[in-house]
Amino acid sequence: GAGVSQSPSNKVTEKGKDVELRCDPISGHTALYWYRQRLGQGLEFLIYFQGNSAPDKSGLPSDRFSAERTGESVSTLTIQRTQQEDSAVYLCASSLGAAGNTIYFGEGSWLTVV
Amino acid sequence: QKEVEQNSGPLSVPEGAIASLNCTYSDRGSQSFFWYRQYSGKSPELIMFIYSNGDKEDGRFTAQLNKASQYVSLLIRDSQPSDSATYLCAVQNYGGSQGNLIFGKGTKLSVKP
Repeated sequence: GAGVSQSPSNKVTEKGKDVELRCDPISGHTALYWYRQRLGQGLEFLIYFQGNSAPDKSGLPSDRFSAERTGESVSTLTIQRTQQEDSAVYLCASSLGAAGNTIYFGEGSWLTVV
Repeated sequence: QKEVEQNSGPLSVPEGAIASLNCTYSDRGSQSFFWYRQYSGKSPELIMFIYSNGDKEDGRFTAQLNKASQYVSLLIRDSQPSDSATYLCAVQNYGGSQGNLIFGKGTKLSVKP
């Protein structure tokens, strides 16, 4: 596609429910990143994929968070048993490769846990 | 712990002035440097990238890199109210973690008409 596409753009969920956030990177981009940004805060790194493997999962905040990527394309970020502290915008980004390439962001998925 | 530091601001400049945004980084192995702009409620968008020491100009924007001092800056000439946003500095080490890319927390710029 022309840009990084994320869905849903907005999600309101009840505390304790599971949510899935989807990211469709720019075609041909092998590197894919997930970040979290709470209101008024900076970008918080969650996970990075190179192809289908995730060499860096260091940012996942708890075992309630998981992510996968298939076919070197779409990635899904899953949050289980959501908590109010999970409310944030979840940003996906992609780049041609990890070394020396610009990353481009999607518009984000705004998650509100009530 | 590899870090990227930015003054959170807000940095307030009058319309038409030069805005100077600064960023320091701790990882001497960093190789690529990026400036992103983020409007409130929007995702970050790339403004400029720089790889080599010195200045790089693009329109009203100039990025400056000094690897010896581990310092990168962004100058915005003839600042406009539409430049009011948060500016994120990002630093990349091809052999590092976090997918090689580390972001600062951003500097909020306010351009007053």
